[in-house]
Amino acid sequence: SAVISQKPSRDICQRGTSLTIQCQVDSQVTMMFWYRQQPGQSLTLIATANQGSEATYESGFVIDKFPISRPNLTFSTLTVSNMSPEDSSIYLCSVGPGKSNTEAFFGQGTRLTVV
Amino acid sequence: QKEVEQDPGPLSVPEGAIVSLNCTYSNSAFQYFMWYRQYSRKGPELLMYTYSSGNKEDGRFTAQVDKSSKYISLFIRDSQPSDSATYLCALLSGGYQKVTFGIGTKLQVIP
Repeated sequence: SAVISQKPSRDICQRGTSLTIQCQVDSQVTMMFWYRQQPGQSLTLIATANQGSEATYESGFVIDKFPISRPNLTFSTLTVSNMSPEDSSIYLCSVGPGKSNTEAFFGQGTRLTVV
Repeated sequence: QKEVEQDPGPLSVPEGAIVSLNCTYSNSAFQYFMWYRQYSRKGPELLMYTYSSGNKEDGRFTAQVDKSSKYISLFIRDSQPSDSATYLCALLSGGYQKVTFGIGTKLQVIP
C-alpha cells in the first residue's frame, strides 16, 4: 500500500480566489488521480496526472479551472481556480490502480468551503 | 442507468448484528471489485479487494461477488460501533484504469 499525505486538510476560501492542494506519496508512482466528493454523490474523477506530461481531464472538468502539476513521481498539486460556492467539496488525491496493482489508495482529503 | 447502484442509507443496526451492504452494476466489463470504508472527515480506506466470483473473508468482513447477477456484497459480522462509517463499493474494468465508485452507504452501529 501507499501512504499519501494531503494538505491542507481543510480550508475556507473567499469566492474568486484560488486554492492549491498538495499531495505527497511515500513511493514513486506513475499515475496519480484527483477526485471530487460532493455531498450525496459518488467520488468523481477530475483528472489523471502523469509525470512528465499534461494531465488528462474527465468530461466536465477543464484545465483552466483545475490546473494540475506533476513535477516528479511522488508529488502532485491540484489548484481550484476562481472559486465559487459550487466548488465547496472534498478533494482527494489517489494512487492506483496501476500496472502492478489494481487497488486505489487515498489521501485524507481536503475539505474546501467557499464563502 | 448508473453504472453502479448503491443504496445511500443511512443504515442503523444494533451492536453485534450482521450487516449486509450491496451494490449492483450494469457493465459486465468490470473485473475487479473493492470495498472502501470512509470515516467522517477522512479519505476512503481500502477494506477488501477481490477479482473472481465467490467469497473472500478477512476477519469480520466478507466480500461476495456474483458476476452472473452483477451483484456485490460486503458482510460485517459482529458489528461494532467503530464500524460506523460510509462504505463505498468500487469497480474496475480490466482494460482501463478508471475506478467507478458507488455513492456509498452510511452505516451506524448503535451500542
